[in-house]
Amino acid sequence: EAQVTQNPRYLITVTGKKLTVTCSQNMNHEYMSWYRQDPGLGLRQIYYSMNVEVTDKGDVPEGYKVSRKEKRNFPLILESPSPNQTSLYFCASSRGGPGGTEAFFGQGTRLTVV
Amino acid sequence: LAKTTQPISMDSYEGQEVNITCSHNNIATNDYITWYQQFPSQGPRFIIQGYKTKVTNEVASLFIPADRKSSTLSLPRVSLSDTAVYYCLVGRPGSGSARQLTFGSGTQLTVLP
Repeated sequence: EAQVTQNPRYLITVTGKKLTVTCSQNMNHEYMSWYRQDPGLGLRQIYYSMNVEVTDKGDVPEGYKVSRKEKRNFPLILESPSPNQTSLYFCASSRGGPGGTEAFFGQGTRLTVV
Repeated sequence: LAKTTQPISMDSYEGQEVNITCSHNNIATNDYITWYQQFPSQGPRFIIQGYKTKVTNEVASLFIPADRKSSTLSLPRVSLSDTAVYYCLVGRPGSGSARQLTFGSGTQLTVLP
């Protein structure tokens, strides 16, 4: 089954404690990206990757890091989480180029930073 | 990416056809129109994409007039499970891809029994 898998689904952490949210896709997609969703602000892109070792900032990259060492994985790293990073996070993937008409999203990770 | 305008919310009853219109006055020649559906606390799900006239799949139809300045997502005979937020996106080929998604506020559709 084609899918994007995020882990964990729920996470409560304390300010400053480094964490990683994993994302894996099994569709051999070139493009992957991370979004956060907040009430009243909608979905905003954090980082995206167009292929292995190719990443770039989205609209709200501050406080986040990513890496793309393998095509299937695109982890989101919070080196020093702060309460304003409390949010619902989604990973997405799709084929690249003009044929990338459809993006597949993960189930989401609800992060709370206290 | 072209700016889109959708109604903030719509109500409907089970079994009715629902039409959600999206306005995109500054759509470019090469732009495509893509719709996504999102249930609470779930990731958005692709519904349909089109360039002109009409596109239909097993879930919905997309109507695009000749001037392409608007589009209408049509959901036939909705059920309670169609209650969700629906997003209209406009952009270049591949604009439905994970690279270029830009979500607006969307339309909250509530289906009533």
